[in-house]
Amino acid sequence: DSGVTQTPKHLITATGQRVTLRCSPRSGDLSVYWYQQSLDQGLQFLIQYYNGEERAKGNILERFSAQQFPDLHSELNLSSLELGDSALYFCASSVAIDGTNYGYTFGSGTRLTVV
Amino acid sequence: QQQVKQSPQSLIVQKGGISIINCAYENTAFDYFPWYQQFPGKGPALLIAIRPDVSEKKEGRFTISFNKSAKQFSLHIMDSQPGDSATYFCAASMGGAGSYQLTFGKGTKLSVIP
Repeated sequence: DSGVTQTPKHLITATGQRVTLRCSPRSGDLSVYWYQQSLDQGLQFLIQYYNGEERAKGNILERFSAQQFPDLHSELNLSSLELGDSALYFCASSVAIDGTNYGYTFGSGTRLTVV
Repeated sequence: QQQVKQSPQSLIVQKGGISIINCAYENTAFDYFPWYQQFPGKGPALLIAIRPDVSEKKEGRFTISFNKSAKQFSLHIMDSQPGDSATYFCAASMGGAGSYQLTFGKGTKLSVIP
């Protein structure tokens, strides 16, 4: 157990629908990162939140959004789903203090299948 | 634009042999180079990492070699074991404004055969 909890583990939904993926970071970690892993694109950075505020944005579609709550858990919302959104979605958390990267801890991911 | 190129895509090594995976990067602003190990159904797990001020880092059977001038780094797994069979990802990041987003290579699937 990495300490990063992602729910649900699996999600099957239809095209056009909206889903919410949830992530609870390791205790004490203030940063939450979301990544998408697909066979053709590999692991792609989507978005980062630090202590409730958006810190960086990567290759995140406009149909996708995220937020981090006061208790530091984060949610990734995916809407108007397309077949191509089928992928593994990982959340990772880290401690980032004074420019030092302590390394990420990834959760076990949510496998999203859009049919 | 793929900023971190990883090779080979797949690798088969005999038990006890040395596994070598190579990565090359383009952005000279990268200042942190981790390797991750991923087993099926699991998230990537940090294996070992290096910063560009050192040329080599060793942790147990795992060694990173770093060549700053060539913008290349590699992972060596000594005495490879069947339990090392997994997908390995190199990555790079730069800590600007408190964000350490990782740019990953495409991954190498390692199979260690008995």
